[in-house]
Amino acid sequence: DAGVIQSPRHEVTEMGQEVTLRCKPISGHDYLFWYRQTMMRGLELLIYFNNNVPIDDSGMPEDRFSAKMPNASFSTLKIQPSEPRDSAVYFCASTTDRGGEQYFGPGTRLTVT
Amino acid sequence: KNQVEQSPQSLIILEGKNCTLQCNYTVSPFSNLRWYKQDTGRGPVSLTIMTFSENTKSNGRYTATLDADTKQSSLHITASQLSDSASYICVYSGFQKLVFGTGTRLLVSP
Repeated sequence: DAGVIQSPRHEVTEMGQEVTLRCKPISGHDYLFWYRQTMMRGLELLIYFNNNVPIDDSGMPEDRFSAKMPNASFSTLKIQPSEPRDSAVYFCASTTDRGGEQYFGPGTRLTVT
Repeated sequence: KNQVEQSPQSLIILEGKNCTLQCNYTVSPFSNLRWYKQDTGRGPVSLTIMTFSENTKSNGRYTATLDADTKQSSLHITASQLSDSASYICVYSGFQKLVFGTGTRLLVSP
């Protein structure tokens, strides 16, 4: 398996623009997690899905952030409108067991100017 | 105050030396405690996962310990190699909750 795939790897956008980050989990993994990582706050869990259904979105910072998982092999994290403080690395991870080992993608580095 | 605190924030050691990283957590109830290694520009990779009943777990040159009474965990790296240079993140897993430490940045110098 190719592991968790994320795209794009880097995204630079202007404040106010819409940003969509994409994730393809490992085949057979029915849990998918979205994280944000910054120097100041470290890794933060934003939302996670089980069998394509959002289970906990309490980490989503505000209404500008939304996440979807239309099928078992694809998820998106959308920011609209983007702000400079959203600049961070966004990771997607998947697993077969909510309490078990998570496999992380390479991340998307987002810069909002 | 972060519910998972790691120390030191950063550490430089010579290749071949041992080192120990610390993690203290204040959250409960407890499900498991994890250590991840994150190389620069990459996603975290799991090193160990320990449940409440385990007090030590090894993965090659990495050995994690857990004291559930004092809510402390440590990650010991033996005979360090240049490839051990990375950030090490302690993660508490409780009921419906994952709490991440801010990590220790380790640099192994030749």
